[in-house]
Amino acid sequence: DAGVIQSPRHEVTEMGQEVTLRCKPISGHDYLFWYRQTMMRGLELLIYFNNNVPIDDSGMPEDRFSAKMPNASFSTLKIQPSEPRDSAVYFCASSFGQDPAFFGQGTRLTVV
Amino acid sequence: DAKTTQPTSMDCAEGRAANLPCNHSTISGNEYVYWYRQIHSQGPQYIIHGLKNNETNEMASLIITEDRKSSTLILPHATLRDTAVYYCIVRAIPSGTYKYIFGTGTRLKVLA
Repeated sequence: DAGVIQSPRHEVTEMGQEVTLRCKPISGHDYLFWYRQTMMRGLELLIYFNNNVPIDDSGMPEDRFSAKMPNASFSTLKIQPSEPRDSAVYFCASSFGQDPAFFGQGTRLTVV
Repeated sequence: DAKTTQPTSMDCAEGRAANLPCNHSTISGNEYVYWYRQIHSQGPQYIIHGLKNNETNEMASLIITEDRKSSTLILPHATLRDTAVYYCIVRAIPSGTYKYIFGTGTRLKVLA
């Protein structure tokens, strides 16, 4: 398996624009996690899904952020409108049941 | 989830064992101890996990004290490629939460 695949790897956008980050979990995994990492706040859990259903979105910073998982092989994290303070590395991870989670390589987002 | 306490940074000579401590004094009976590491800006990498027995795999050993209030990750023969930030996480399974809460971790530097 190729592991968790995130796209794009790098994204530069202007303030106010919509940004969509994509994640393909490992086949057969039923949990999917979205994290954000910044120097100031470290690794923060934004939201996680089980069987495509959002279970805990308490880490989503505000209404500008939304996440969806339309099927077991795809998830998106959308920011609309984007702001400079959203600049960070966004990681997606997946796991099967109680097994350890595996992370993707991340998307580095820069909002100018 | 229980909180963990780790030293901010550690150095280790190449070829020597690296022993990374973690305190989780408020851990409860159904919480496992997980270790992940993050090399430079890559996604976190799973290392090992355990409940109460010591565990060993091809990457490392995990020693958990009898009272489970602390643990030590051991890299038996550290190499320069082991330079990374190491995260100790406690996670309750099967409580249904399944989420990983990352702290600030220990920055390990392996010296030539």
